[in-house]
Amino acid sequence: DADVTQTPRNRITKTGKRIMLECSQTKGHDRMYWYRQDPGLGLRLIYYSFDVKDINKGEISDGYSVSRQAQAKFSLSLESAIPNQTALYFCATSGGVGSYEQYFGPGTRLTVT
Amino acid sequence: GQNIDQPTEMTATEGAIVQINCTYQTSGFNGLFWYQQHAGEAPTFLSYNVLDGLEEKGRFSSFLSRSKGYSYLLLKELQMKDSASYLCAVKPSDYKLSFGAGTTVTVRA
Repeated sequence: DADVTQTPRNRITKTGKRIMLECSQTKGHDRMYWYRQDPGLGLRLIYYSFDVKDINKGEISDGYSVSRQAQAKFSLSLESAIPNQTALYFCATSGGVGSYEQYFGPGTRLTVT
Repeated sequence: GQNIDQPTEMTATEGAIVQINCTYQTSGFNGLFWYQQHAGEAPTFLSYNVLDGLEEKGRFSSFLSRSKGYSYLLLKELQMKDSASYLCAVKPSDYKLSFGAGTTVTVRA
């Protein structure tokens, strides 16, 4: 089984709808991240969390919110989706201080029409 | 802010060697990473450099010069399965990565 899972894998939604992307991990990591990837722009950090009580904004948090329901679960919400939020979204995890590698989930392809 | 530059595309022949350069200007430095990403898939970790010099791992090697803000990823004995995007990422602080836009490598027979 995959260590980092994301649901759904693909989603098409309409402008103005609320949508939630979910991420779960079995790696026992404290740190979790949400990125979006757009062609030519690379991966950009939306939000990150060091533990259940810690939530931090990344580079491009406007229009997004997150919830860390448990150590293993980190959800990303788009309160009112807009077409320029069409992108590939990745969840990632890493261990604590001194741990350097981030492990990525399979991604969610979101299309907002 | 963070500025990480790498070429957009490279093409090479099966069995050849390709070098992907990455230059960076960041507010801090706690290491440089290379990730491989096949189309539509998750990035997977290839290498990590925190000290100057060359790190070799099988057909892949990564070099770092902190004073020059420069790294390269060397792919030897190219195989068709190496066709992918290669992402350079810098860790400016302990807790996050800043990524370049990626270099798409196409391997031709």
